[in-house]
Amino acid sequence: QKEVEQNSGPLSVPEGAIASLNCTYSDRGSQSFFWYRQYSGKSPELIMSIYSNGDKEDGRFTAQLNKASQYVSLLIRDSQPSDSATYLCAVKTGANNLFFGTGTRLTVIP
Amino acid sequence: DTAVSQTPKYLVTQMGNDKSIKCEQNLGHDTMYWYKQDSKKFLKIMFSYNNKELIINETVPNRFSPKSPDKAHLNLHINSLELGDSAVYFCASSQEFPGSPGDTQYFGPGTRLTVL
Repeated sequence: QKEVEQNSGPLSVPEGAIASLNCTYSDRGSQSFFWYRQYSGKSPELIMSIYSNGDKEDGRFTAQLNKASQYVSLLIRDSQPSDSATYLCAVKTGANNLFFGTGTRLTVIP
Repeated sequence: DTAVSQTPKYLVTQMGNDKSIKCEQNLGHDTMYWYKQDSKKFLKIMFSYNNKELIINETVPNRFSPKSPDKAHLNLHINSLELGDSAVYFCASSQEFPGSPGDTQYFGPGTRLTVL
């Protein structure tokens, strides 16, 4: 079983819609959770981090964490074509290693 | 000013050759990393250094040898290159020690290595 699993997509949503990206992880001791965005041919950039159960909002982005279900998600409201990218979920495990999922490719259709 | 820089951006070489990739960060961070991203976009950590000391050394062939002359630099030397080494290699840095909850990593632009 992989440490971090994501649906590889592609996920297509119309402009203005809500995009929902999901991630599950295997290590119950994990404490820190991150969402990175990676445009094609570019490096990953951090967009959200979350450490406690519940929701964390930053502009159009909301990260949701449920440690009991070992589940973390990212919601993008009012999706824009510029949001089209691969979104990487990253989890820092109890052993202090950072593991990335394989990413979900999001396409926002104008 | 580039926060995390890598050179070269592209590297094309023959099997069996030895090559190096350089990384520098001007963020004043204490921790630096090397990641490998394969053709399926899977990003996997290879090494982590904190203040020039090796902290994380994942299962990586010993043909890969990181070197940190100071905490702002972490270079990656690869001996006897193989076809399977073709990938994009990313350097990253973070302010805090690996394991700190707020360990936000900043990535360099990547080096695309192609082994022929």
